[in-house]
Amino acid sequence: AQSVAQPEDQVNVAEGNPLTVKCTYSVSGNPYLFWYVQYPNRGLQFLLKYITGDNLVKGSYGFEAEFNKSQTSFHLKKPSALVSDSALYFCAVRPSWGKLQFGAGTQVVVTP
Amino acid sequence: DSGVTQTPKHLITATGQRVTLRCSPRSGDLSVYWYQQSLDQGLQFLIQYYNGEERAKGNILERFSAQQFPDLHSELNLSSLELGDSALYFCASSAYSNSEVETQYFGPGTRLLVL
Repeated sequence: AQSVAQPEDQVNVAEGNPLTVKCTYSVSGNPYLFWYVQYPNRGLQFLLKYITGDNLVKGSYGFEAEFNKSQTSFHLKKPSALVSDSALYFCAVRPSWGKLQFGAGTQVVVTP
Repeated sequence: DSGVTQTPKHLITATGQRVTLRCSPRSGDLSVYWYQQSLDQGLQFLIQYYNGEERAKGNILERFSAQQFPDLHSELNLSSLELGDSALYFCASSAYSNSEVETQYFGPGTRLLVL
């Protein structure tokens, strides 16, 4: 079975500090991994994806993610968090045709 | 703005009723996906259509159905509504169908409240 796990329901960080949102995955075959962000009362916005190649993937809004095959992780990172980064973040895997399988989501709260 | 549009934004209805949610994909995208987001179930894949044909099915109830029309817009029909159907329904689109690496772009969602 294919799955992703986001072990933290919420991450609190002060503005200007590094932000990390954790994601681990379990797939058979090649993992295709995605990060999306959901702002209040908005749809999901695509941030970045890992397909193959460089383990460090750069995405939108200054976010990046590091693919680690040995630890089966795909953590989302931002060097310096902004208050406007406060949102719900979803990790997802696409194991087969069609569906994205999402994690439960991690609420990020960035305080001024 | 992802380019995916959904109407209506909000929908309030009563148990037992039927509603139709509409989605227009990004220009040129052939695949449409429907997802349901609820507090207890999280984000769940419902169904995918590609160029008018059903391509993949997820956790979609028999009371729910969808279709994709020749102009590629899609409708999700929810019938015999129950309180538990209250959720945010997202539509997403992508260019094709059979590539795991494709990015799906999401619409703003339709918030359904069943009273």
